[in-house]
Amino acid sequence: GQQVMQIPQYQHVQEGEDFTTYCNSSTTLSNIQWYKQRPGGHPVFLIQLVKSGEVKKQKRLTFQFGEAKKNSSLHITATQTTDVGTYFCALHRGNQFYFGTGTSLTVIP
Amino acid sequence: GAVVSQHPSRVICKSGTSVKIECRSLDFQATTMFWYRQFPKQSLMLMATSNEGSKATYEQGVEKDKFLINHASLTLSTLTVTSAHPEDSSFYICSASSFQGGEQYFGPGTRLTVT
Repeated sequence: GQQVMQIPQYQHVQEGEDFTTYCNSSTTLSNIQWYKQRPGGHPVFLIQLVKSGEVKKQKRLTFQFGEAKKNSSLHITATQTTDVGTYFCALHRGNQFYFGTGTSLTVIP
Repeated sequence: GAVVSQHPSRVICKSGTSVKIECRSLDFQATTMFWYRQFPKQSLMLMATSNEGSKATYEQGVEKDKFLINHASLTLSTLTVTSAHPEDSSFYICSASSFQGGEQYFGPGTRLTVT
């Protein structure tokens, strides 16, 4: 199908705990993007990864692109309640743009 | 940052009527816009890719005669849900990019309810 699998589907963490979501593709990707959607909101771009093995950081968020460019991960260190939302990976296939299945993060204060 | 607007934000219509949703890129030109449908607690499902000046590319399973897409200019794409039925009730959201392969900017979405 058109979607890229993400695991886990849901994650509940205590505030201060770490969180990781994984995005897996059966085919090699030219690049991958990550988005965050807050409850009731629309997706907002976080980052794009292009190079094999690339690692990028944004404050407490660490994004990684696998060596084979078939998987990617987003890790959040010491979660805060503001991190609540659904995190999607997304990618271009030809002229189309597809979203991963998403990981919904709940942070318990 | 780039802004994409979508109108209306909410619409309630009766079964059998048609509804038009507009997606505008306000401060950049977009040769391609994407239309998605999102059910509660689910991901965004790509419905179609809207191409300025040419026909839209529909995903498998999406009826092109039911979901009419028109990309009349580099800043406007419209999605018309024709002969709407209750099962068409959903959250419809568009996105656009200022260049191919770039980050997508999303509209705020349209909540369609068909009674």
